[in-house]
Amino acid sequence: KAGVTQTPRYLIKTRGQQVTLSCSPISGHRSVSWYQQTPGQGLQFLFEYFSETQRNKGNFPGRFSGRQFSNSRSEMNVSTLELGDSALYLCASSLQGITNEKLFFGSGTQLSVL
Amino acid sequence: DAKTTQPPSMDCAEGRAANLPCNHSTISGNEYVYWYRQIHSQGPQYIIHGLKNNETNEMASLIITEDRKSSTLILPHATLRDTAVYYCIVRVANSGGGADGLTFGKGTHLIIQP
Repeated sequence: KAGVTQTPRYLIKTRGQQVTLSCSPISGHRSVSWYQQTPGQGLQFLFEYFSETQRNKGNFPGRFSGRQFSNSRSEMNVSTLELGDSALYLCASSLQGITNEKLFFGSGTQLSVL
Repeated sequence: DAKTTQPPSMDCAEGRAANLPCNHSTISGNEYVYWYRQIHSQGPQYIIHGLKNNETNEMASLIITEDRKSSTLILPHATLRDTAVYYCIVRVANSGGGADGLTFGKGTHLIIQP
């Protein structure tokens, strides 16, 4: 069974630009959640999608948005990039997204904002 | 979700058991204890989780104290590939569905020495 796939692996953007990251979950998994990881703040929850609907949201500004397609693939968009958005962005999938399920993480997209 | 406390780093000799402690003194009765690890440049990997009983799987054992205020992750025969940052997390049980975002602390950097 293929794991969680995130593309691209690395991305370099400049301030003010926007970026779209992609996440393909494990086949059959309907929940996809997104996280930002930085050395200073650690791993922080962005949002979770289930059956094309955003079900939970972390404490990030509206510049961070996402969506999920009918095949459970998800995209995350960051508009008007800031230097502080440089981070490793991780997505994770699970079957139903309930609390006592395992989360399976992708290898992440390393975003650098110059 | 309850806060956890872990030592920032630990060393362990290859072939020996690695015992990683975690304090979660404010844990509630419906919160699970989860362990994940993150090898450099990869996404976090699920290891094990439990509610109140000790658990064992092919990767590790989880020992939870009777009062549930602390736990220990045991890697029975550590190898060099077990060098990683290990995160202990507690999450509330949510039978209604909806994956509350995980909050990872700083974790323990486990270094396996040859």
